[in-house]
Amino acid sequence: QQQVKQSPQSLIVQKGGISIINCAYENTAFDYFPWYQQFPGKGPALLIAIRPDVSEKKEGRFTISFNKSAKQFSLHIMDSQPGDSATYFCAASISGNTGKLIFGQGTTLQVKP
Amino acid sequence: GAVVSQHPSRVICKSGTSVKIECRSLDFQATTMFWYRQFPKQSLMLMATSNEGSKATYEQGVEKDKFLINHASLTLSTLTVTSAHPEDSSFYICSAGTANYGYTFGSGTRLTVV
Repeated sequence: QQQVKQSPQSLIVQKGGISIINCAYENTAFDYFPWYQQFPGKGPALLIAIRPDVSEKKEGRFTISFNKSAKQFSLHIMDSQPGDSATYFCAASISGNTGKLIFGQGTTLQVKP
Repeated sequence: GAVVSQHPSRVICKSGTSVKIECRSLDFQATTMFWYRQFPKQSLMLMATSNEGSKATYEQGVEKDKFLINHASLTLSTLTVTSAHPEDSSFYICSAGTANYGYTFGSGTRLTVV
């Protein structure tokens, strides 16, 4: 019940394309859903986060879509660039403690020039 | 923005020795720091929660006597891996912050035990 399941494990997208990564959760107590970007040998960096009172949040080329009834959320990266090549993690937590995160398994994104 | 620094970034130690990893919040005070572990090509797993001036709270399956955490000030938490073994080789990452302003991850420490 504490798991967050992420797919796909890896993704290859052409430059300019849309990258889509999906996550699903079971624990209905989760109410904070961030996405992180991690480059090799570095700590994860927060990209964008959403709370379940909205169905979509957009920041630049990054959009989170949230489906509360299905307990799923996804990250869309528009106009993907080679510099976006990294590992992406979804996560979930209870908003009273947004630092205590349950992470998905990660998706390695490669954007081909 | 909030900056969290970890030191060292890489460390190699011999099996059976102890190694200390520091996590510092450089431009803010962090009431809470979290320690995560990440094995190669795997996800991050929470090890423990550290509140300033209190004993750390460890996640199930994490040995508190092996992974000693000290959070003596609002800007510094340390993780000491005692009697390290090769299976402890991993990427250790802290995050620091407050409930009001959120949390920022450090740059991580690559520990290799030989």
